[in-house]
Amino acid sequence: DAEITQSPRHKITETGRQVTLACHQTWNHNNMFWYRQDLGHGLRLIHYSYGVQDTNKGEVSDGYSVSRSNTEDLPLTLESAASSQTSVYFCASSELRDNSPLHFGNGTRLTVT
Amino acid sequence: AQSVAQPEDQVNVAEGNPLTVKCTYSVSGNPYLFWYVQYPNRGLQFLLKYITGDNLVKGSYGFEAEFNKSQTSFHLKKPSALVSDSALYFCAVRDPRGGGADGLTFGKGTHLIIQP
Repeated sequence: DAEITQSPRHKITETGRQVTLACHQTWNHNNMFWYRQDLGHGLRLIHYSYGVQDTNKGEVSDGYSVSRSNTEDLPLTLESAASSQTSVYFCASSELRDNSPLHFGNGTRLTVT
Repeated sequence: AQSVAQPEDQVNVAEGNPLTVKCTYSVSGNPYLFWYVQYPNRGLQFLLKYITGDNLVKGSYGFEAEFNKSQTSFHLKKPSALVSDSALYFCAVRDPRGGGADGLTFGKGTHLIIQP
């Protein structure tokens, strides 16, 4: 079955370090997204991509970057981790049609100390 | 701008009773509306969506949702709750005129607790 895999599931890092979270999907979807989930805020969009070499900023993109070199992967990089980036991060994908539902990975819990 | 409100942080229902999880939205045009469910330590799972047509939409696990344009609501319902329905539920809205997937806005979520 097709799926989205996120790694690692848990990560602890120190303030100022660069961190990359991996996301790999086998749905062959063009659209991919990164969200963060925080208590009281629900899900907020960080970055998204409509296809290879395409990336776009979402609602809370400061301090994050993504790159899309193939259809399957959209890694999320925290350039210099901050305590405010402690969160649960979810990757998702969808078909091109804008009424298509999102398929989510199981998340990465990141703690910045 | 579009927005979603889930007015209840938590809903408690006895097993076997009907349940309702409320959602109201605000968009300029006709919305695309979605419900997702999240179980502990898992990602969100799609339950159902409203695009156009019948106001009552049926989805996975016996859930349904009623679109009410005049009240700008899209409440999630189930006739008979199960303990296994206990989870975190998210409503989401997209304004089709807003372009692609960047236009999806999520509510803050409602914890549904089904008591045996």
